Amino acid sequence: RKEVEQDPGPFNVPEGATVAFNCTYSNSASQSFFWYRQDCRKEPKLLMSVYSSGNEDGRFTAQLNRASQYISLLIRDSKLSDSATYLCVVRGSGNTGKLIFGQGTTLQVKP
Amino acid sequence: DTGVSQDPRHKITKRGQNVTFRCDPISEHNRLYWYRQTLGQGPEFLTYFQNEAQLEKSRLLSDRFSAERPKGSFSTLEIQRTEQGDSAMYLCASSLVGADLQETQYFGPGTRLLVL
Repeated sequence: RKEVEQDPGPFNVPEGATVAFNCTYSNSASQSFFWYRQDCRKEPKLLMSVYSSGNEDGRFTAQLNRASQYISLLIRDSKLSDSATYLCVVRGSGNTGKLIFGQGTTLQVKP
Repeated sequence: DTGVSQDPRHKITKRGQNVTFRCDPISEHNRLYWYRQTLGQGPEFLTYFQNEAQLEKSRLLSDRFSAERPKGSFSTLEIQRTEQGDSAMYLCASSLVGADLQETQYFGPGTRLLVL
């Protein structure tokens, strides 16, 4: 079983749609959680950190459920520019800095 | 440009050759990470440094791979006797970690390796 699992998609949605991505992680001792965005043939870039209380950044909302070891990302009012791969990321347990990435979920927003 | 830089951006080599990649982190960042990404997968951790010290290595890092960060600034990743399975994007990331161990990793553009 992979440490971080995501549905690879692709998700094809029209502009203006709301889309949700989910992710599960296996290590209950994990402390930090993130969503990164990766455009085709580019490097990953931090989209947002994910906190237990849930957090929002404009059209993006991230949620963490520690009991279920489940992370979600909601994108409202999708834009063409949101088309990318969204990577669910967990920091390893203990003092390690290493990030563990999911496979990524591909989003294609169509006009 | 004050971001993470990597050199070269692309490398084509023949099986059995040695290759070396360089990463220059963001200035004053104390941690430097190497990851590898193959098509359709997320990045996989290889190793990381805090200043000059190599703190962790993945089991993915066979004895053909070696990484250094001799002065706590730039880092090199060398692959000896390359194999076709080494073909991937090699990503470097850096961060500034404080006493609370919180950090954000910023990625460089990557070095794309093709082994023929």
